[in-house]
Amino acid sequence: AQSVTQLDSQVPVFEEAPVELRCNYSSSVSVYLFWYVQYPNQGLQLLLKYLSGSTLVKGINGFEAEFNKSQTSFHLRKPSVHISDTAEYFCAVSDPRTGTASKLTFGTGTRLQVTL
Amino acid sequence: DVKVTQSSRYLVKRTGEKVFLECVQDMDHENMFWYRQDPGLGLRLIYFSYDVKMKEKGDIPEGYSVSREKKERFSLILESASTNQTSMYLCASSPGTGGNQPQHFGDGTRLSIL
Repeated sequence: AQSVTQLDSQVPVFEEAPVELRCNYSSSVSVYLFWYVQYPNQGLQLLLKYLSGSTLVKGINGFEAEFNKSQTSFHLRKPSVHISDTAEYFCAVSDPRTGTASKLTFGTGTRLQVTL
Repeated sequence: DVKVTQSSRYLVKRTGEKVFLECVQDMDHENMFWYRQDPGLGLRLIYFSYDVKMKEKGDIPEGYSVSREKKERFSLILESASTNQTSMYLCASSPGTGGNQPQHFGDGTRLSIL
């Protein structure tokens, strides 16, 4: 079974500052990794995904994430945040061996609060 | 563009009622999912379906059932609603198999059971 840990439930940051949202996973096999964003009163939207290859993955809205197999981490970063980045961010994993549907296991989420 | 539509944004029901939450996707996706989202708990999978009339239990299926009579529609049913089922419910869909396809989400239904 897989699990995902997002250690920070809330991250406050000033506008134009850099931010890192942490994600660690636990799995006995290789996994696929995803970051989703949820703006207020909306569903989840895919930010980026890691399937294989380069460990640095670039996504939408200037976000990027780095896969670190030895540390089982997939931290999300942005060099300069904007007020509009205020949202909840979810890390998720799926098992490549899945024979049927691509089930995701989600972390508990990190609320990013950007202020002036 | 991908579209997952949930029939209601907000819903208020009473304890003991039978409640139907509807979800429709227009992308011809094989897989559909129902999650509930609660503060501090993230998203938890209730049920999913990988084909018409096929369904599998997720992590928290108790108190829920589902129906998938057509490929584009996936219904979540609360047989006898209880107050502990007050939550945000999210529907999602994805194509194919193998775990590498991202899921596409609807905007959610905020359900209150009084």
